[in-house]
Amino acid sequence: QVQLHQWGAGLVKPSETLSLTCAVSRGSFSGYFWSWIRQPPGKGLEWIGEISQSGSSNYNPSFTSRVTLSVDTSKNQLSLKLSSLTAADSAVYYCARSSGYDFPYYFDYWGQGTLVTVSS
Amino acid sequence: EIVLTQSPATLSLSPGERATLSCRASQTVSNYLAWYQQKPGQAPRLLIYDASNRATGIPARFSGSGSGTDFTLTISSLEPEDFAVYYCQQPGRTFGPGTKVDIK
Repeated sequence: QVQLHQWGAGLVKPSETLSLTCAVSRGSFSGYFWSWIRQPPGKGLEWIGEISQSGSSNYNPSFTSRVTLSVDTSKNQLSLKLSSLTAADSAVYYCARSSGYDFPYYFDYWGQGTLVTVSS
Repeated sequence: EIVLTQSPATLSLSPGERATLSCRASQTVSNYLAWYQQKPGQAPRLLIYDASNRATGIPARFSGSGSGTDFTLTISSLEPEDFAVYYCQQPGRTFGPGTKVDIK
């Protein structure tokens, strides 16, 4: 079954840029949208954005100005960059596959999560 | 933006009891509603999609119902591993605030 493995820096300084990568294995990378979702400690889930294998992307308006999503189809990987970080960006970040028969909207496979702490 | 509300915030039950969780949308989402289970330190797990379809590998004790603005997740008989937080989610990619099911 599809596996998502993610990695990246766990401690980032305020005003700097968060950078995470997610590798997809044991399944097709094409034909799906791939999302990033975050969860501050003790709080709920917040969708950041999604990108397809072709590079088509959609973003949560709350992040549009400071988020960059990219894909490397040769490696079946997707990446997230989030700039101008503040303490409010401290969270567990997940990558996930978007699925749906009519249109993709639910998340059926998830990465293990990466805790990112924004602190000097 | 469609807002999801979940009730109750916390549900205290014993193993073997029936759990009924509610999710209400501020506007109709047709039948496009998903449910997730999350345990501490783990990623969410998809339980139900399109309001009533169980995801792969999800036990039959989990069922979903509803359409439009009102949805229900039912766990027919709670197993020890079912005590967790449950989230609903709509096509705009927003999630509800969650319902915690804990042991009474």
